[in-house]
Amino acid sequence: AQSVTQLGSHVSVSEGALVLLRCNYSSSVPPYLFWYVQYPNQGLQLLLKYTSAATLVKGINGFEAEFKKSETSFHLTKPSAHMSDAAEYFCAVSDKGSSNTGKLIFGQGTTLQVKP
Amino acid sequence: DTEVTQTPKHLVMGMTNKKSLKCEQHMGHRAMYWYKQKAKKPPELMFVYSYEKLSINESVPSRFSPECPNSSLLNLHLHALQPEDSALYLCASSQGLRTYEQYFGPGTRLTVT
Repeated sequence: AQSVTQLGSHVSVSEGALVLLRCNYSSSVPPYLFWYVQYPNQGLQLLLKYTSAATLVKGINGFEAEFKKSETSFHLTKPSAHMSDAAEYFCAVSDKGSSNTGKLIFGQGTTLQVKP
Repeated sequence: DTEVTQTPKHLVMGMTNKKSLKCEQHMGHRAMYWYKQKAKKPPELMFVYSYEKLSINESVPSRFSPECPNSSLLNLHLHALQPEDSALYLCASSQGLRTYEQYFGPGTRLTVT
């Protein structure tokens, strides 16, 4: 069964510092991978996705993620944090088993705090 | 346009009430989803519709009843809910089951008293 692990339930950075949110997955087949952001009392917004094309994926709001098959990782980065980046971030992997259900498997989430 | 809309934004209901949550998308997507999200937790899948047919029911109690009247609309009918059903209910859509990026609505904050 596929699973997603987000290392660190809470990450705190200073404004202008590098943001690194970690995501590792387990999958028997090359997966599709996603990062979503959720601001308080809002729905999830798609930041970026990996669908087996380029391993370095650029998303919205200056975020990017690199797919590393050897490390089964898909870490999210942003060179310079902004106060508006404070939110909950979810990594997700597709269920690409034989059923092709379209089901997403979510990690437990990482809360990003940005200090002034 | 990647917008999914949900109404109402907030809902308070008693345990004997009947209410409905509504979701709409105009992106031509053929798969639609209901999720339940508790505070500080990831969304939990409840139902999946593909081409207006129920594809997945994640063993959800019968007090939740989904309906897909057409390809743009998804409803969730609520009856005899329990206080533990209080949560953020999210709707999402995708082009199809094989196109895995899902677009989420803003959610309905449900409180059961």
